[in-house]
Parts: sequence; structure tokens; C-alpha cells
Amino acid sequence: DGGITQSPKYLFRKEGQNVTLSCEQNLNHDAMYWYRQDPGQGLRLIYYSQIVNDFQKGDIAEGYSVSREKKESFPLTVTSAQKNPTAFYLCASTPDGSEKLFFGSGTQLSVL
Amino acid sequence: LAKTTQPISMDSYEGQEVNITCSHNNIATNDYITWYQQFPSQGPRFIIQGYKTKVTNEVASLFIPADRKSSTLSLPRVSLSDTAVYYCLVEPEDSWGKLQFGAGTQVVVTP
Repeated sequence: DGGITQSPKYLFRKEGQNVTLSCEQNLNHDAMYWYRQDPGQGLRLIYYSQIVNDFQKGDIAEGYSVSREKKESFPLTVTSAQKNPTAFYLCASTPDGSEKLFFGSGTQLSVL
Repeated sequence: LAKTTQPISMDSYEGQEVNITCSHNNIATNDYITWYQQFPSQGPRFIIQGYKTKVTNEVASLFIPADRKSSTLSLPRVSLSDTAVYYCLVEPEDSWGKLQFGAGTQVVVTP
């Protein structure tokens, strides 16, 4: 079954801790994206990657880091520098040049 | 930076047609207009995509005028299950691949 998988579904972070959200796709898509969504708000772009070993900052990259070592994987690390990390995080992928995004089911991150 | 503008919310009754207009003044010449639907605690789901004139599929129609600076998503005969947030997405002309969503339109359908 082709798709995009995010894990974990729920994640809790302690003060000063870095946490990593996983995003894997088996759709053979070139481009991958991370979005943050706060309650009642739209999606804000954190980072995106259009090719392996390359990625660009979105609108709210501060306090986050990513890597793209493999085509199918695009993990997002929420660092301790992100002071307000509580949000719903969505990963998406798309064939290169297309705006038809395929989304994962999301990770809800909360601070303990 | 190109952004989209949509109404914040729209209310409708079951069985009515809902039309949501999105403004995208800086759309790139070769860019498509894509609409998504999102339910709470889920990722957005692709609804429809178009480049010009009219596109229709089994769930919606998309109307795009000749200047392509706006588009209208039309949901025919809505039901309670169409209550969701709807987003239009276009790619900024000066930032290839930077897919940014606007605030979306909350559609509430009541009996």
C-alpha cells in the first residue's frame, strides 16, 4: 500500500529536549514538506526538500532542523530552541513540479 | 511573496451549493491551482486541480477566469460531511517548490 507515514502519532517533549518526528514515503516522490498547524489556524511551512541532500527553509524554520539523506525519508527535529513547539505537525510529499500534495496523518507534539 | 486570500468562513444548509473564491494575484504563468479539504486532526486531502476555464470531478468543480487571478471552488449539494476547512494552493512565481497554504475557509453545513 503506497503512502506517507508519520510517527509517532503523539509525542511529548520535556523542557530543553530535542525530539525527532519521522516521515517516510514509498510513493517515489521527489519533494517532501513539513508543515506546522496550531489550533484553528492554517498550515505554515517549516522546511521543504525537492531532492535528496538538499532542503530549503520555509516561513517558520527557526528552532527546527531537517535532513534528507534518502529519497523516502525526511525527519524533522524540533530543537530546544523552539520555545513553543506544541502543535500538529504534518508531512507531505509530491512528485517534482506538482502541487498535488499527499499528506501523512500527522504528529501531535505537546510539551510536558 | 505570493499569497492566497479566501473568506475565513462560510455557512450553508444541506443540499445547497457552496462556492468559495480564492484570490491569487501573483500566480505563476505555468502554475496550477489546487484545492484541498481538511477535517480536524487529519492531513489535508486533494480535491481538485485546474489551470484554466473549468474542471469538474466527482466531488467538485473549479472555475478559473481568463486572467487566472482568482478561482472558485464549487461544492454541489453539500451534506453535513462536507463541514471542513478548504484551502487553495498556488506556487509563488519567485519561489519554485515553496508550497504555502493560506488560512483556509471553514465551511459549516447545518441541517
